[in-house]
Amino acid sequence: GENVEQHPSTLSVQEGDSAVIKCTYSDSASNYFPWYKQELGKGPQLIIDIRSNVGEKKDQRIAVTLNKTAKHFSLHITETQPEDSAVYFCAALSSGGSYIPTFGRGTSLIVHP
Amino acid sequence: NAGVTQTPKFQVLKTGQSMTLQCAQDMNHNSMYWYRQDPGMGLRLIYYSASEGTTDKGEVPNGYNVSRLNKREFSLRLESAAPSQTSVYFCASSKQGATGNEQFFGPGTRLTVL
Repeated sequence: GENVEQHPSTLSVQEGDSAVIKCTYSDSASNYFPWYKQELGKGPQLIIDIRSNVGEKKDQRIAVTLNKTAKHFSLHITETQPEDSAVYFCAALSSGGSYIPTFGRGTSLIVHP
Repeated sequence: NAGVTQTPKFQVLKTGQSMTLQCAQDMNHNSMYWYRQDPGMGLRLIYYSASEGTTDKGEVPNGYNVSRLNKREFSLRLESAAPSQTSVYFCASSKQGATGNEQFFGPGTRLTVL
């Protein structure tokens, strides 16, 4: 089955800095890669996703890149703000029969004012 | 449009007690899921239901049962709670089982088993 590794587990930055979270996956059939943000006391919420036919996608201050050859994808947050502090999860889904996402273990991002 | 709702929000059980976690969605989604979240372990799938009338085991099904009551509701039952089941439980739904569909999560149930 699919295996998703996520690093780092904790990331501390100063407000205004950039933050990068990296994930690797094992199943070459995976073709959809969502990122979820979980604020304290709430359920995860989708913030951005990318499909395997695209190398990069941007939405204001967040972007995701995908390297299919190396089987890794990354979340980039620029100009971080205190409200970006949360736990971020990456996930991978395969179109080869299973539509169940495999999640990484999460990254706790702390943005210091 | 409430999205995905879960009850209760908090629960404390004694070892051996039983309880049912309730989940409902009002988005007309076909697929529903139950996850547990433990520190450092991410989200682990307990059971899922691809469509009304079907249920399947996920990564960590032992000690749990589920019922897809109708298209809207998907319940999770602990028949004999154990301390290892202390966790935060999330219900989620998605439009259909095809790749690329966003999962919508409920607010979670924090369960403590003493």
